[in-house]
Amino acid sequence: AQSVSQHNHHVILSEAASLELGCNYSYGGTVNLFWYVQYPGQHLQLLLKYFSGDPLVKGIKGFEAEFIKSKFSFNLRKPSVQWSDTAEYFCAARDLGNTPLVFGKGTRLSVIA
Amino acid sequence: EAEVAQSPRYKITEKSQAVAFWCDPISGHATLYWYRQILGQGPELLVQFQDESVVDDSQLPKDRFSAERLKGVDSTLKIQPAELGDSAMYLCASSSGSPPYEQYFGPGTRLTVT
Repeated sequence: AQSVSQHNHHVILSEAASLELGCNYSYGGTVNLFWYVQYPGQHLQLLLKYFSGDPLVKGIKGFEAEFIKSKFSFNLRKPSVQWSDTAEYFCAARDLGNTPLVFGKGTRLSVIA
Repeated sequence: EAEVAQSPRYKITEKSQAVAFWCDPISGHATLYWYRQILGQGPELLVQFQDESVVDDSQLPKDRFSAERLKGVDSTLKIQPAELGDSAMYLCASSSGSPPYEQYFGPGTRLTVT
C-alpha cells in the first residue's frame, strides 16, 4: 500500500535558521508529491507540488523541495525561517490523476525568537 | 477567492448520538473528498465522490458512517452512533476533476465525542 513517512515529529528552530523536513514515500509507480502547511486555526494550504520535470520545486513563502527518485524522497527546505513559519507541515503523495492524497503524519515546526 | 465551506466548525456530542457534517465545495468542482484527521496524524481519506457517485469508500467504516452527495454539489457525512474514537477533525476537499486535479481544503469540523 502507498505510504508517506515524515521523519520529524516536532522541530524547534530559532529565527533565521535553515530548515529541512524529511519526507519519504512508498509508491509503486509514478507519483505526484505535495507539501501542505496548516497554520494554527487555519485551513490546509498547498505550499508546493511536484508532478514532473525539474526535481527542484519552488513554492510559496520561500519554500522549496527536492524530488530524489532514487531515494524516494521529497524533502522540504527553507534557507531562513521566520516566526510566522510556525505551523504543521504535511507531506502528501498520490497516484497520477484525480486520486486521493496519502498524507504523512506531519511535522510540527516551532520557530522561536 | 472561492473556498470550500464546512459546517459546523465545532461539534461536541455524547457517544451513541448521531452527528452530521456538511460540506459545500467550490462551485463547479466535480470531485469531493472527505478526510479524517486524528490529533497528531495526517488526514486520511474516508470517501471520494465524482459528481454524485462514490468513487472510493473503502476506508469508510460503513457500520456507522454514511456519506451522500445527492445532487452532485454539497455533501453530508453522518456518524451514527458516535464513538469516543471518532473524535477528530473532519476535512472536506474538492477538485475540479480536470488536470492538475489540485485539491482545495475546507476549514474542517472538529468533533469531540464525550
